[in-house]
Amino acid sequence: GQNIDQPTEMTATEGAIVQINCTYQTSGFNGLFWYQQHAGEAPTFLSYNVLDGLEEKGRFSSFLSRSKGYSYLLLKELQMKDSASYLCAVRDKSDYKLSFGAGTTVTVRA
Amino acid sequence: DADVTQTPRNRITKTGKRIMLECSQTKGHDRMYWYRQDPGLGLQLIYYSFDVKDINKGEISDGYSVSRQAQAKFSLSLESAIPNQTALYFCATSETLAGGTDTQYFGPGTRLTVL
Repeated sequence: GQNIDQPTEMTATEGAIVQINCTYQTSGFNGLFWYQQHAGEAPTFLSYNVLDGLEEKGRFSSFLSRSKGYSYLLLKELQMKDSASYLCAVRDKSDYKLSFGAGTTVTVRA
Repeated sequence: DADVTQTPRNRITKTGKRIMLECSQTKGHDRMYWYRQDPGLGLQLIYYSFDVKDINKGEISDGYSVSRQAQAKFSLSLESAIPNQTALYFCATSETLAGGTDTQYFGPGTRLTVL
C-alpha cells in the first residue's frame, strides 16, 4: 500500500512561485502523478515522474527523488486561475493502481 | 464532446434506495475506474476494471457493485444507499501501452446525496 502526505493548504501572491511537497511510502513504486482539481470539477493531469529528476512543462515543473520518497510540484508566475487543489498520486508496481494524497489547496491572492 | 461522461451529474436520494451511476468513454481506453471523494480526503478507489472480463475491488468496495457492459461503459451501483455514501463520485479511464504512462483521465463527476 501507499502512505502519501502533502500539506493541506498554501497561500501565495499572484506572480510568485509556490512549491508543493509530497512524501510517500510505498511497497512498490511505479510512477508519481500530479493532478490539478478546481472546486467541484474533475482532476486534470499535470505531470508524471518515474525517474529521478525534474520534468518541466511551461510554468509547472515536477521533481522526483525515489530514494527519499519525495516529490514536489513547482508553480511559477502564479495566476489567479491557479487557485485549485493539487493532488499527488503514486502508482503501485504490482497492480498499477493509483493512491492519492488528500490534496493541497492553493489560494492565489492579488 | 467530452471524452469521459457521467450520468447523472447530481442525484439526491433516500436511504435504502438502489442507485446506479453510469460512465461512458469515447477514448477507446481499456481500463476504467470508480472513485469517491470526500472533503479533506483523497480520491478513494471503489472498483476498477482492466478489460470487460476483468473487475477488481478497490479500497472501499463494501456497499457498492459494478458492471462493465462494454469496453466503453462502466456502471457503479449502490444496492441500498446510506447517508455516509454521500460524496462526489468520479469515473476515470486509462490506456494500457507498453512503456506508456497509463495516465488516468477523469469524468466530470456525480454529486450524490443520500438523505
